[in-house]
Amino acid sequence: GAGVSQSPSNKVTEKGKDVELRCDPISGHTALYWYRQRLGQGLEFLIYFQGNSAPDKSGLPSDRFSAERTGESVSTLTIQRTQQEDSAVYLCASSFLVTTEAFFGQGTRLTVV
Amino acid sequence: AQTVTQSQPEMSVQEAETVTLSCTYDTSENNYYLFWYKQPPSRQMILVIRQEAYKQQNATENRFSVNFQKAAKSFSLKISDSQLGDTAMYFCAFIHKAAGNKLTFGGGTRVLVKP
Repeated sequence: GAGVSQSPSNKVTEKGKDVELRCDPISGHTALYWYRQRLGQGLEFLIYFQGNSAPDKSGLPSDRFSAERTGESVSTLTIQRTQQEDSAVYLCASSFLVTTEAFFGQGTRLTVV
Repeated sequence: AQTVTQSQPEMSVQEAETVTLSCTYDTSENNYYLFWYKQPPSRQMILVIRQEAYKQQNATENRFSVNFQKAAKSFSLKISDSQLGDTAMYFCAFIHKAAGNKLTFGGGTRVLVKP
């Protein structure tokens, strides 16, 4: 596709359920980021994949959060046993090189009820 | 520790006037990369401007320009001839090796352009 694609665009889930968010980066982009953005707030770094290197997971807020990336393609962010404080927009971005422009998806708005 | 700081949570400007957004960052490296991103109400993040630290010349993109002060670790964004479509959140961002080359954002400045 032409841009970074995230699915679903909106997700409502019950507290305690697991959710999986998907990101399709731009083809050929080696770097992929996940960020969390609470309402009216800035971007909180979650995890960063760069090529075949071990991912930087330093931003994951708890062990309920995990992410995977298959090679240089699709990434999934999984949140287990969701809590209300997990409600936010989850943004994915990719870039060709780490020092070039990062292109963002439209995000997944997660609401935990 | 906060690596990128945007001290102005909100600013308003009259259409056609100029507004300057501040950003400071923290690094001991000599080479790094700085960015300004715009997030309009649509939520889509868009790159506004990019600056490489080894370049002394300030980056410019049409009505957007930066004032890069390396010694002061300051990277302000000037929006000239403000337009209604400039209303958005603006985020300063930074990549440096010490942080593993990950893209780190400041807290954002909300800009409101008034007609």
